[in-house]
Amino acid sequence: AQTVTQSQPEMSVQEAETVTLSCTYDTSESDYYLFWYKQPPSRQMILVIRQEAYKQQNATENRFSVNFQKAAKSFSLKISDSQLGDAAMYFCASLPWGQNFVFGPGTRLSVLP
Amino acid sequence: DVKVTQSSRYLVKRTGEKVFLECVQDMDHENMFWYRQDPGLGLRLIYFSYDVKMKEKGDIPEGYSVSREKKERFSLILESASTNQTSMYLCASSSPGHPLRETQYFGPGTRLLVL
Repeated sequence: AQTVTQSQPEMSVQEAETVTLSCTYDTSESDYYLFWYKQPPSRQMILVIRQEAYKQQNATENRFSVNFQKAAKSFSLKISDSQLGDAAMYFCASLPWGQNFVFGPGTRLSVLP
Repeated sequence: DVKVTQSSRYLVKRTGEKVFLECVQDMDHENMFWYRQDPGLGLRLIYFSYDVKMKEKGDIPEGYSVSREKKERFSLILESASTNQTSMYLCASSSPGHPLRETQYFGPGTRLLVL
């Protein structure tokens, strides 16, 4: 079975600092996608960033970037210049080709002023 | 922007009641999904649908059924609600024709409490 592990149930970061959220996944497929989703308190879950496994270059979206280590099956999310609005639950997810999403248990991020 | 809406944000039901959760998306997406979200477990797929009148079981379909009579609407049905179905329910949609195909777009969620 495919699994996604997020080993940090909770994390905190000072405003304007950088934080990295960890994610490891397990898939036997060679073709897959990886995602980070953000769920703010009482608000809709939205896509933060996605990565195609065949691309070696790490995806970047403004202050959000990933460190994709395919051999290690690791997909961490780095948030630079953290802002109060970054406080949320973050879910890592994998999508093996032809299969359904597999989500991790989530990491709750607090941003301290 | 994709908009996915769910009929209720909060719902309180009694054990044994039949519960309907409705989801509507306005972007003509072919694929629709129902998840439940529980602390420490992330999101788990209940049912999904790739087309009208079509449905497939996800990882935890027991105690649930679905209906997709129209492309934009996907309903989750709890035939006889039980307390272990107390959870947050999330609907999502996606489209293979979308520029960010495979990406799922989520509704705001329905927090269901079964007493």
